[in-house]
Amino acid sequence: AQSVTQPDIHITVSEGASLELRCNYSYGATPYLFWYVQSPGQGLQLLLKYFSGDTLVQGIKGFEAEFKRSQSSFNLRKPSVHWSDAAEYFCAVGTTNDYKLSFGAGTTVTVRA
Amino acid sequence: DAGVIQSPRHEVTEMGQEVTLRCKPISGHNSLFWYRQTMMRGLELLIYFNNNVPIDDSGMPEDRFSAKMPNASFSTLKIQPSEPRDSAVYFCASSAGPNTEAFFGQGTRLTVV
Repeated sequence: AQSVTQPDIHITVSEGASLELRCNYSYGATPYLFWYVQSPGQGLQLLLKYFSGDTLVQGIKGFEAEFKRSQSSFNLRKPSVHWSDAAEYFCAVGTTNDYKLSFGAGTTVTVRA
Repeated sequence: DAGVIQSPRHEVTEMGQEVTLRCKPISGHNSLFWYRQTMMRGLELLIYFNNNVPIDDSGMPEDRFSAKMPNASFSTLKIQPSEPRDSAVYFCASSAGPNTEAFFGQGTRLTVV
C-alpha cells in the first residue's frame, strides 16, 4: 500500500522569504502526486498535481513542486511567500490500481510579518 | 459547477443521538469519498464509492457508522448512536475517476456533547 510522509509538522517563514515543504512517498510503481492546501475552516483545495511528463510542476498561487523518483520525493516550493499563504498543506499519493488518495499528516505554515 | 456541497456545515448533537451528514458531489464525477479530520489522527479516509457502489469501507471506525449512495448525486454518512469521540470535521470529496484529483467540500464540523 502507498503512504506519504511529511517530515515537518510546523514551519514558520517570514513574508517574502522562500518556502519549501517536504513530502516523501512510498509506492512501488509510478505514483500520482498531489499537493492540497487547507485554510482555517475550509476544505482542501488542489494546488498542483503530477501524473507524468515534466517533473517540475507549476500550480496555482505561485507554487511549484518537483518530482524526484530517485528520492521518492515531491517537495513543494514557493519563491516568495505572502501572508495569505498561512495554512495547512497536505501531500497526497494515488496509484494506478486504486481510486483513493493517501494523505500525509500535513504541514502547518505560519507567516510572520 | 457549485463544487461539492455538504450539509449541514455545523452540527451539535447530544451523545446517543443519530446524526446524518449529507453530500452532493460534482455532477459527472463517479467517485465519492468520505474523510474525517481530527487533530489527533489527521485526515482519515472512511469510505469511498465508485459508480454508487461502496468499494472500500475499511476506514469506517465502527458499526455505528454507515454510508449510502442511493444515486450519483447524493450520499449520506450516518452515525448512530453518536459519541463524543466522533467529534471531528467530516469531508466529502468527489473525483472523475481513478488517478484524478479529488475535489473537497467545505466540511461538516460535528460536535457531540
